[in-house]
Amino acid sequence: DTEVTQTPKHLVMGMTNKKSLKCEQHMGHRAMYWYKQKAKKPPELMFVYSYEKLSINESVPSRFSPECPNSSLLNLHLHALQPEDSALYLCASSQEGGPTDTQYFGPGTRLTVL
Amino acid sequence: TQLLEQSPQFLSIQEGENLTVYCNSSSVFSSLQWYRQEPGEGPVLLVTVVTGGEVKKLKRLTFQFGDARKDSSLHITAAQPGDTGLYLCAGGRDTGRRALTFGSGTRLQVQP
Repeated sequence: DTEVTQTPKHLVMGMTNKKSLKCEQHMGHRAMYWYKQKAKKPPELMFVYSYEKLSINESVPSRFSPECPNSSLLNLHLHALQPEDSALYLCASSQEGGPTDTQYFGPGTRLTVL
Repeated sequence: TQLLEQSPQFLSIQEGENLTVYCNSSSVFSSLQWYRQEPGEGPVLLVTVVTGGEVKKLKRLTFQFGDARKDSSLHITAAQPGDTGLYLCAGGRDTGRRALTFGSGTRLQVQP
């Protein structure tokens, strides 16, 4: 089983709302990732968690707040977003985050900020 | 600066034609992964190559990792409309930031 699940599939929110994106994997992977993808562009890395600790933050604005409650779950808390934050948000996981690890992606959450 | 350059950026071909997509870099990668992505969906892994000179085949798709592990290619034989999508290469490095570096993507359209 190489499945990564993400909820919700679609999310529409106003600039004053607070919402959360959820990601789950049951492959025993110890590294999990958040990516942001704009239309017709490759995914851009936002955060990496390794063994439930934040190991990479790609200078993401503080209105995005990641959380890794346990090794299977990854959340992205959203607050006071801007319309330009509208994008496809992808979660991925890999064995340990090593250079030869394969990353498996979820289906994504399509976020629209009004 | 794009660490991984993909070419071509866009390709429109007729069903039955062959094509090759290239992924090039001046840097050495420990692994190279190829994904295919459809609009609004997450990238789906096609293959991972880790050994210089490695060739892997997946039905009509042939993947090659360069001897120096700086480049890779994806060759599709007898393309079908179902092959339409965004093809992404992504490299893993064991120095510096240990996260995947994505290429710019190749958008393939196969006309019936």
